[in-house]
Amino acid sequence: GAVVSQHPSWVICKSGTSVKIECRSLDFQATTMFWYRQFPKQSLMLMATSNEGSKATYEQGVEKDKFLINHASLTLSTLTVTSAHPEDSSFYICSAPGTSGFPEQYFGPGTRLTVT
Amino acid sequence: GENVEQHPSTLSVQEGDSAVIKCTYSDSASNYFPWYKQELGKRPQLIIDIRSNVGEKKDQRIAVTLNKTAKHFSLHITETQPEDSAVYFCAASKGNTPLVFGKGTRLSVIA
Repeated sequence: GAVVSQHPSWVICKSGTSVKIECRSLDFQATTMFWYRQFPKQSLMLMATSNEGSKATYEQGVEKDKFLINHASLTLSTLTVTSAHPEDSSFYICSAPGTSGFPEQYFGPGTRLTVT
Repeated sequence: GENVEQHPSTLSVQEGDSAVIKCTYSDSASNYFPWYKQELGKRPQLIIDIRSNVGEKKDQRIAVTLNKTAKHFSLHITETQPEDSAVYFCAASKGNTPLVFGKGTRLSVIA
């Protein structure tokens, strides 16, 4: 149980275009999901907290107009990178807390974004 | 907010030896401390975790200790094997809040 999927697993796009990444909880409902970004050889850094039915909460320094988050259902959160630039190239990973009351979080497999 | 420091950044050990990675945290309200192993291009894999009401937890060759007073926790891997080579991250959270990660430790186990 507690499986989180992400799509696509990797994507290459041209500078200036937009890319949408989907994060789905497959066997549980997730009212909250977290989006992390990981640059090469660095740690995971929280970008934003996605809340079902309400606006996302962004971390300081993350542009909310550039990284659009939508959490329209209890099993799906999307991250859209708008007007992507090469510096947005990174590994994007979502996670969701389980529903059993335990604090463990379940990570998606990640999306490798390369902007050319 | 929470800040997690992790040391060392790189660690090389001979196969069969033990490896120890240490982390400190700043927020005394944090109560959940997981450790992850991450291989290149893959998601972090939870290897062990500990909650603030426990001082030590062990799972086969892996153990974690927590000192709430000093606000530090450590990962111990005994009898290391080449397949233990990876990047390890510690993290802290207050239950279902986002995880705050350490900067990671690249462990190399030399056969």
